[in-house]
Amino acid sequence: NAGVTQTPKFQVLKTGQSMTLQCAQDMNHNSMYWYRQDPGMGLRLIYYSASEGTTDKGEVPNGYNVSRLNKREFSLRLESAAPSQTSVYFCASSDGFNGYTFGSGTRLTVV
Amino acid sequence: RKEVEQDPGPFNVPEGATVAFNCTYSNSASQSFFWYRQDCRKEPKLLMSVYSSGNEDGRFTAQLNRASQYISLLIRDSKLSDSATYLCAVILSGGSYIPTFGRGTSLIVHP
Repeated sequence: NAGVTQTPKFQVLKTGQSMTLQCAQDMNHNSMYWYRQDPGMGLRLIYYSASEGTTDKGEVPNGYNVSRLNKREFSLRLESAAPSQTSVYFCASSDGFNGYTFGSGTRLTVV
Repeated sequence: RKEVEQDPGPFNVPEGATVAFNCTYSNSASQSFFWYRQDCRKEPKLLMSVYSSGNEDGRFTAQLNRASQYISLLIRDSKLSDSATYLCAVILSGGSYIPTFGRGTSLIVHP
């Protein structure tokens, strides 16, 4: 009964380093999403994948890339981390009708 | 005007009180509505969907007012454990199923 699993839970990066955030869901959902959440800004969509094999930009895609590896997995990559990317990142999945299920989040600090 | 707006609060209420939050949306083509609960440093979790006829789940009642373009969440007999941030989410018609989230309303229930 895992739902949406994100790794890692915490990460500290130096400016310019790269990393990949992993996300996997076991609910057979077609759609998957990456959000960032910053104080006072709410949840902002970075990228989404409406179905396996497709990805689209959201509200704040700059500095990020994504890969929909298969129906279960959707990863988010920071190629060259910047302090402005310090945030809490949430992955989510949906069947389109019953709302979203979120992962537990990744707290990323870029120094 | 933001697409989805919520009063950030905080709403400070005593245990046992009844409290209500509203969430206004700007796009009349919105078709699906949800309330999420987010505890401090945790992921948002779906609290309830909001149907045209309104719906109730225990102490929680959600309603939709299409004419005035808002949804509401009523919590009766507040418990200390209800302290959290409540996010509304609105999905436009048109098939992408990507919700726009409000920034949340903070509720603090005190003894």
